[in-house]
Amino acid sequence: SQQGEEDPQALSIQEGENATMNCSYKTSINNLQWYRQNSGRGLVHLILIRSNEREKHSGRLRVTLDTSKKSSSLLITASRAADTASYFCATAPDNYGQNFVFGPGTRLSVLP
Amino acid sequence: EAQVTQNPRYLITVTGKKLTVTCSQNMNHEYMSWYRQDPGLGLRQIYYSMNVEVTDKGDVPEGYKVSRKEKRNFPLILESPSPNQTSLYFCASSLLWGFNEQFFGPGTRLTVL
Repeated sequence: SQQGEEDPQALSIQEGENATMNCSYKTSINNLQWYRQNSGRGLVHLILIRSNEREKHSGRLRVTLDTSKKSSSLLITASRAADTASYFCATAPDNYGQNFVFGPGTRLSVLP
Repeated sequence: EAQVTQNPRYLITVTGKKLTVTCSQNMNHEYMSWYRQDPGLGLRQIYYSMNVEVTDKGDVPEGYKVSRKEKRNFPLILESPSPNQTSLYFCASSLLWGFNEQFFGPGTRLTVL
């Protein structure tokens, strides 16, 4: 099965700075999704980018997708302490009915 | 309120004692899924269901069973739990497979002694 992998595994920044996380995957996808998880809680969907899209924005979030490199990045601008969480990418394969694959996540710490 | 609910939220049990974790969604979603989350491994899909009476294995189905007799419910069954099934479990649902975001339940923390 394909593997989503985030990079870096952990990131520590100051409030107000931008945070960039990367995700790589191995096979063709229908779309790629980013989720956030606060410690031990359920995941919350952030943004979905389809394979025919290259960039998408939602508030302070910017996601890019490069299908030729099989990679995506999530940029959080002007970070806040409340952005402290783990961030996961998940890939939906382009073959109907195959399973989703989540990466191991990036642990983001935003220091006040 | 649109939501995915799981019960129980916490469970400590012993090896071999059958258990069921329930999952229910009130959004009329067709797709439902179970994941387990372990440190350093992210989320791994156990089983998923494209619709009623349609289920399929994910990446780590061994030791688990599921059923989808009605659209809103997708219980996860551990017939004979073992310590390596100690994990944090999440149920999720989405309107359709693959095209929409998934909504996650709050998680069930299972410890098998």
